[in-house]
Amino acid sequence: KQEVTQIPAALSVPEGENLVLNCSFTDSAIYNLQWFRQDPGKGLTSLLLIQSSQREQTSGRLNASLDKSSGRSTLYIAASQPGDSATYLCAVDSGGYNKLIFGAGTRLAVHP
Amino acid sequence: SQTIHQWPATLVQPVGSPLSLECTVEGTSNPNLYWYRQAAGRGLQLLFYSVGIGQISSEVPQNLSASRPQDRQFILSSKKLLLSDSGFYLCAWSVGRNNQPQHFGDGTRLSIL
Repeated sequence: KQEVTQIPAALSVPEGENLVLNCSFTDSAIYNLQWFRQDPGKGLTSLLLIQSSQREQTSGRLNASLDKSSGRSTLYIAASQPGDSATYLCAVDSGGYNKLIFGAGTRLAVHP
Repeated sequence: SQTIHQWPATLVQPVGSPLSLECTVEGTSNPNLYWYRQAAGRGLQLLFYSVGIGQISSEVPQNLSASRPQDRQFILSSKKLLLSDSGFYLCAWSVGRNNQPQHFGDGTRLSIL
């Protein structure tokens, strides 16, 4: 059974820092891994999708990497800003049709 | 462009009452549709998904059911709510079979009294 773990559970950093969020999964047979952002009381916003054949994806200040063999992904946020404060969730599609299994998330606070 | 609508945004219901949450998608055809629940202190859990009208797959046994009466309409229902049904319910859509991003609605906060 696929399980997804995110470390750390919470993170507080000063503005301008570069930071790394970690995600691990137990079964390497995945179609893709996705990173989402969730603001308090809101739905999820898709950030990046990495297919199983890819090693990384970039969007603006965000870079996500995937090491399928070791069951790990990282989300790198460059030059963090207070507007980046949110919960970041990673999810894997193991069964196709985008049936996602989520981690519990990392709650990020970026203070001025 | 595609949009997804969920309503209501918040709902307070007594134990034992029925439930109907609705989700509609605009701007795309034959989407895959999903219902997730986010319980307090826990991650998102997939409840139901649908790849077409009338095709519903349940991922976890529970007190809830789902229906897809139209291509872009997904409904989550219960005949009798339990206290454990409280949570944040999210509808989502994607297209194709694999490797497409999933897009979420703004969610419904359901409190059971």
